[in-house]
Amino acid sequence: DAEITQSPRHKITETGRQVTLACHQTWNHNNMFWYRQDLGHGLRLIHYSYGVQDTNKGEVSDGYSVSRSNTEDLPLTLESAASSQTSVYFCASSGGVDSPLHFGNGTRLTVT
Amino acid sequence: GENVEQHPSTLSVQEGDSAVIKCTYSDSASNYFPWYKQELGKRPQLIIDIRSNVGEKKDQRIAVTLNKTAKHFSLHITETQPEDSAVYFCAASMDDYKLSFGAGTTVTVRA
Repeated sequence: DAEITQSPRHKITETGRQVTLACHQTWNHNNMFWYRQDLGHGLRLIHYSYGVQDTNKGEVSDGYSVSRSNTEDLPLTLESAASSQTSVYFCASSGGVDSPLHFGNGTRLTVT
Repeated sequence: GENVEQHPSTLSVQEGDSAVIKCTYSDSASNYFPWYKQELGKRPQLIIDIRSNVGEKKDQRIAVTLNKTAKHFSLHITETQPEDSAVYFCAASMDDYKLSFGAGTTVTVRA
């Protein structure tokens, strides 16, 4: 069965370190998204991509970057981790119109 | 960009009663409104969605209504059961792709 996989599931890092969260989907979806989930804020869009070599900023993109070199993967990089980036991160993908958004299992990131 | 507000933030209901969650959106161009359910420690999952050319949609015990003029939409859960306890998110989108989410409603069904 097609799926979307995030790794790691949990990560603890120190302030200032570079961190990369992986997202891999086997749906062959063109559209991929990264959201962060914080209490009281719901899910906020960080970055998204509509296809290979396409990346776009979401509403909370500062301090984050993504790259899309193939259809399956959209890694999220925190260039210099900050305590404000402690959160649960969800990757998602969709095939477009009439195709629901499928979420990964999430990565819980703690920045100390 | 789109701004989605969701109320209430928490909702406690007696098993068998109904639950209603309301959302408003800001961009009149939005035309797709899904609802997601997230159980504790799990990923959000789509439970129902509605498009702007439809006023109401029902799937067993859940229904969604949309008022385009007032720019609000609601989720209705009837005959609530313990397994309905979860966080529910509404969302809005202009193009089916990029969703803007509400802050979520924690629903607790009391036995």
